[in-house]
Amino acid sequence: GAGVSQSPSNKVTEKGKDVELRCDPISGHTALYWYRQSLGQGLEFLIYFQGNSAPDKSGLPSDRFSAERTGGSVSTLTIQRTQQEDSAVYLCASISSGSGYEQYFGPGTRLTVT
Amino acid sequence: GIQVEQSPPDLILQEGANSTLRCNFSDSVNNLQWFHQNPWGQLINLFYIPSGTKQNGRLSATTVATERYSLLYISSSQTTDSGVYFCAANYGGATNKLIFGTGTLLAVQP
Repeated sequence: GAGVSQSPSNKVTEKGKDVELRCDPISGHTALYWYRQSLGQGLEFLIYFQGNSAPDKSGLPSDRFSAERTGGSVSTLTIQRTQQEDSAVYLCASISSGSGYEQYFGPGTRLTVT
Repeated sequence: GIQVEQSPPDLILQEGANSTLRCNFSDSVNNLQWFHQNPWGQLINLFYIPSGTKQNGRLSATTVATERYSLLYISSSQTTDSGVYFCAANYGGATNKLIFGTGTLLAVQP
C-alpha cells in the first residue's frame, strides 16, 4: 500500500510567520512520530502519538511547537512565530502495532525560515 | 545518556568495493534499524535488526545485542549506494522513539 506522505515537500516562510506541516501515516498504523533533521543537531525526536492516548511532547524544542492528530490518522505539526533556527527537514514516521517497532518514514518537509 | 555512535563518519569507495559500517549503542535495545538517506532526503528502511543477521541482496546486517553493536555490510558497491547511512536504536520506554546516530556519508565513485 501507500507509504507515509507529507506535505508540503518544501516550505519557505518569513521569520515570525506560522506554518503547518501535514503527515498522512500508513493506513492502519496506530503510532505516529515527528522528528526533525537539522544541521548540527542531526535527527531528533519531537513528538509521539499512540491511538487515543495523550501525546508524548517531550521532544518539542519550545512552546511555539505544537501538534495534533485528528481521528487517529492525519497529523499536523504547527510552528508559531517561526525563527531561523527552525529551518530543518521535518520527518514523520508511523508504526503498525502488529509489526513490532519498525518505523517507516515519509519524504519530509524542508522548512526554510528567511 | 543514551548514545548511538557510527563509524566511519565518511567513506569513499570505488565501484565494486566492499565496506563495513559500524554502529555502537550504549544500552540494551528493543530494536535497531538501518536506513539509507537518498539524495532527496528520504529515509529508506534497510534492516530492522534488534539481533542476529539478515541479508537483502548486496546488503547484510548483523547485530550483537550483548556486545551493543551492529554492522552493515555493503558488497560490490554501486554508485547508487551513495548517500548517508543511519542506524537508530529504540531503547523502549513509553514511546519507543528512535535515537539516531550521526550517520556515515558514503560516496561510491565510478
